[in-house]
Amino acid sequence: RKEVEQDPGPFNVPEGATVAFNCTYSNSASQSFFWYRQDCRKEPKLLMSVYSSGNEDGRFTAQLNRASQYISLLIRDSKLSDSATYLCVVNHPGGFKTIFGAGTRLFVKA
Amino acid sequence: NAGVMQNPRHLVRRRGQEARLRCSPVKGHSHVYWYRQLPEEGLKFMVYLQKENIIDESGMPKERFSAEFPKEGPSILRIQQVVRGDSAAYFCASSPGQGGGEKLFFGSGTQLSVL
Repeated sequence: RKEVEQDPGPFNVPEGATVAFNCTYSNSASQSFFWYRQDCRKEPKLLMSVYSSGNEDGRFTAQLNRASQYISLLIRDSKLSDSATYLCVVNHPGGFKTIFGAGTRLFVKA
Repeated sequence: NAGVMQNPRHLVRRRGQEARLRCSPVKGHSHVYWYRQLPEEGLKFMVYLQKENIIDESGMPKERFSAEFPKEGPSILRIQQVVRGDSAAYFCASSPGQGGGEKLFFGSGTQLSVL
């Protein structure tokens, strides 16, 4: 079983749609969780951290469910510029080994 | 540009040659991570280094791959006797601390192509 698993997609959605991605992780002792965004095989960039209480940043909402070991990302009112690969990221216990999921590809169409 | 600098951006090698990838972290960052990304796959952790020390190399292939982060100069990922399967994008990231929940700053990557 992979340490971090994501649906690879692709998700094809029209502009203005709401889309949600899920990610599961295998190590129950994992400490920190993030969503990164990667465009066209450029370097990944941090989108947002994920907190147990859930957190929102504009059109983006992240949730963490420790009991079920999954993380979600919700994008509301999708824009063309949201088209990218979204990477679920988990920090191992001890903090220094950051594990990336394979990513979920999103295409937003006009 | 005070970000993570990787060079070269593109590297072409023939099978059997050596590839040396360089990474200069953000100024003041003493923690460096190397990741490999194969086509259509996510980033795979390779190695975590602090100045002059390898902390975790559990993601490194046992043979032909080595990494260092000397007291002075950039971190180097070296691949000896490259094979076609080594063709990938290699990303370096740095952080000021131990990376436990801190943001990783990524370089633009080195695309290695093995002919």
